[in-house]
Amino acid sequence: DQQVKQNSPSLSVQEGRISILNCDYTNSMFDYFLWYKKYPAEGPTFLISISSIKDKNEDGRFTVFLNKSAKHLSLHIVPSQPGDSAVYFCAASVSARQLTFGSGTQLTVLP
Amino acid sequence: EAGVAQSPRYKIIEKRQSVAFWCNPISGHATLYWYQQILGQGPKLLIQFQNNGVVDDSQLPKDRFSAERLKGVDSTLKIQPAKLEDSAVYLCASSLLGGAGFQETQYFGPGTRLLVL
Repeated sequence: DQQVKQNSPSLSVQEGRISILNCDYTNSMFDYFLWYKKYPAEGPTFLISISSIKDKNEDGRFTVFLNKSAKHLSLHIVPSQPGDSAVYFCAASVSARQLTFGSGTQLTVLP
Repeated sequence: EAGVAQSPRYKIIEKRQSVAFWCNPISGHATLYWYQQILGQGPKLLIQFQNNGVVDDSQLPKDRFSAERLKGVDSTLKIQPAKLEDSAVYLCASSLLGGAGFQETQYFGPGTRLLVL
């Protein structure tokens, strides 16, 4: 039972354009959502998060949007840079308990 | 600040053999996590320690997997005996406090890639 789903295994975008990565969840109890970025042969690194009491959080080029009614989360990267090429995982938790991860989306930013 | 250290980075064993992985968290971090990441999937929590006590091991296959964090610092995860389906990357992560009622950032190590033949 996948509670957090990333339905696009891969995404390619041109440098300078917007990257939009999507994530859907089924557990309505999730109250905190995170995005992690992972380069090959490294562990995931925290990117940005959002609490369920908000619908948007922004940090530089990265913005996360939360649509609770649709149980949908998205990460926008503007403008995309070649160094952003990585696997992006969304994750969710209930009351700061264990993280449940999606399966990841491989983002490739083309120069 | 040194990150989370893990060793070995790679391990190849035959099924039914035993294997152990080591993790040293960021200095001062009370909470340590072990995750299993199977190819094409996201990390799945196996066990969470706070200091030297187990907080959550509900997804740890206890018939073959064991973990300890005896002095509340570094930790060892063991598989005995290994099965083909244990082939995965084993990630260790740590966070400062854990169980603080708010979501802390977890810092991940580079992982140990295990291949069971």
